[in-house]
Amino acid sequence: NAGVTQTPKFRILKIGQSMTLQCTQDMNHNYMYWYRQDPGMGLKLIYYSVGAGITDKGEVPNGYNVSRSTTEDFPLRLELAAPSQTSVYFCASSYRVGTRSADTQYFGPGTRLTVL
Amino acid sequence: QKEVEQDPGPLSVPEGAIVSLNCTYSNSAFQYFMWYRQYSRKGPELLMYTYSSGNKEDGRFTAQVDKSSKYISLFIRDSQPSDSATYLCAMRRNAGNNRKLIWGLGTSLGVNP
Repeated sequence: NAGVTQTPKFRILKIGQSMTLQCTQDMNHNYMYWYRQDPGMGLKLIYYSVGAGITDKGEVPNGYNVSRSTTEDFPLRLELAAPSQTSVYFCASSYRVGTRSADTQYFGPGTRLTVL
Repeated sequence: QKEVEQDPGPLSVPEGAIVSLNCTYSNSAFQYFMWYRQYSRKGPELLMYTYSSGNKEDGRFTAQVDKSSKYISLFIRDSQPSDSATYLCAMRRNAGNNRKLIWGLGTSLGVNP
């Protein structure tokens, strides 16, 4: 299993440009997540999905959009990139059944995005 | 007050030392407690998780949860230079509609040979 894969690894955008960060998992996990990580600020949840066709906002959703058309893929869309979106973006997935589940999340290697 | 507090360090120890990493939390509803390790320029990887109180051991690593004090710890015995990384604690409630993990900021650990 490849686990969680993310593309691209690095990207530089100009202010106002748009892009999609790709995330794929091959573990048949039902839950998927997008986080951003800034120095000294920890992991912030952007969006998450509990299954194909179902997504919900996290702590910092503004400026981002997601979709989940398949179990495997969970792309993150940045519209009108701003310098504040310079960050490292991590995709994660987990398998949850019912409420009593540890929800241990497996992370991808990250995408380093710089907006200039 | 943040729900989860974690001293960011950095913490620097000699090889072979016993390392103690800690998080405190404010919400008594947390039931699942996890430790993740993150190497530089990599994604976090799960080290250990514990449900409710008690200890859990895995090789050189021991996770400890004290719910009465709202305090969790990760101990690393015989620390190695390969343990140099950032360690993040995470926890969540055992509630049906709550899917979020609450994360600490991470503690940066350096083990010197």
